Amino acid sequence: GIQVEQSPPDLILQEGANSTLRCNFSDSVNNLQWFHQNPWGQLINLFYIPSGTKQNGRLSATTVATERYSLLYISSSQTTDSGVYFCAVEQGNTPLVFGKGTRLSVIA
Amino acid sequence: DAGVIQSPRHEVTEMGQEVTLRCKPISGHDYLFWYRQTMMRGLELLIYFNNNVPIDDSGMPEDRFSAKMPNASFSTLKIQPSEPRDSAVYFCASSLGASFKAFFGQGTRLTVV
Repeated sequence: GIQVEQSPPDLILQEGANSTLRCNFSDSVNNLQWFHQNPWGQLINLFYIPSGTKQNGRLSATTVATERYSLLYISSSQTTDSGVYFCAVEQGNTPLVFGKGTRLSVIA
Repeated sequence: DAGVIQSPRHEVTEMGQEVTLRCKPISGHDYLFWYRQTMMRGLELLIYFNNNVPIDDSGMPEDRFSAKMPNASFSTLKIQPSEPRDSAVYFCASSLGASFKAFFGQGTRLTVV
């Protein structure tokens, strides 16, 4: 099956810093989503982005489907951004396959 | 819309007992997914339904696990008998179409002692 690799596995940021999270996938996909799992365990859908670039406030995401990667940008990070960020991809009729996630800690 | 609703939020049970987890998908969504999250294996798909019909249950770990979707607004995941290694967070998600945004419930944290 398709492989989804996220990097870095862990990231510590000072409040206000910017960061880039990466998601590589091993085959072509028809769907890619980014999720944030907050410290209470809830999975929040950030972006549905099979290709192109989207922005939502301080967050933006870019997927280059032909090169099989996606990037999530976090600007001016805040402590509330802490948690685990997951990339998940869908290939054909196969439901979302998740990466292992990037654990982000933003310290004041 | 209330989103995907799961119950209970937390469940603690003794080994050997039956456990039933419940999920109400977002109204109008035609796909429903059950995922399990553990530290070791991350988020893994257990089973999914389309229009109440199970499509792929290859992720269900053992015969002790079963899932049903009797109607478009309700699904259950049952574990009988439960074992300590079943301890995990179980998520239900729904989507409109297979390649659309998936929305997750808040999860059920299951602890089997």
